[in-house]
Amino acid sequence: EAGVAQSPRYKIIEKRQSVAFWCNPISGHATLYWYQQILGQGPKLLIQFQNNGVVDDSQLPKDRFSAERLKGVDSTLKIQPAKLEDSAVYLCASSRDSLGTQYFGPGTRLLVL
Amino acid sequence: KQEVTQIPAALSVPEGENLVLNCSFTDSAIYNLQWFRQDPGKGLTSLLLIQSSQREQTSGRLNASLDKSSGRSTLYIAASQPGDSATYLCASDSGGGADGLTFGKGTHLIIQP
Repeated sequence: EAGVAQSPRYKIIEKRQSVAFWCNPISGHATLYWYQQILGQGPKLLIQFQNNGVVDDSQLPKDRFSAERLKGVDSTLKIQPAKLEDSAVYLCASSRDSLGTQYFGPGTRLLVL
Repeated sequence: KQEVTQIPAALSVPEGENLVLNCSFTDSAIYNLQWFRQDPGKGLTSLLLIQSSQREQTSGRLNASLDKSSGRSTLYIAASQPGDSATYLCASDSGGGADGLTFGKGTHLIIQP
């Protein structure tokens, strides 16, 4: 069974630029999560999808971050415009349902200069 | 709001020693508690998941315990090996179907050969 795929693995941009990350969850997993992990911290949930609907986005900075999960499979997370403090690893995870074990992708490491 | 704390933040021990990593959480109304391993530049690998009704889980040299009443979990690693060097994260799941996982900041473990 293929795991959670993410791309790109690394991205370097300048502040005020925009960037997008892509996630392909494990086949058949209805729930998809995006987490932000700042260096030295544990991951923090940004947004949770159930199929193509948003379950929780209370910690998503909506003035600059957006995410979508069209057709309930792949998902993209966008930052526009990026700030220095957005430098972090962005982790995608998926689970069969909202109470199932979460499986994590390798993450996208973002550096904002 | 759930808060998860891990002690110590870093630990370095000689190969072969048994060791204990600690995790505490403020809200005992959890659905499960999970221990993850994170290697540099990699995503999270699930090690053990303890349901709220369980007291412990074992996998090979790893044993995780859960005491909901005191808000504590421990991860015991027996006969440590250099390959165990990584950051270990614990995370609680509230089970509400939303909120995702709440993570601690992790314990950075180094096993000296």
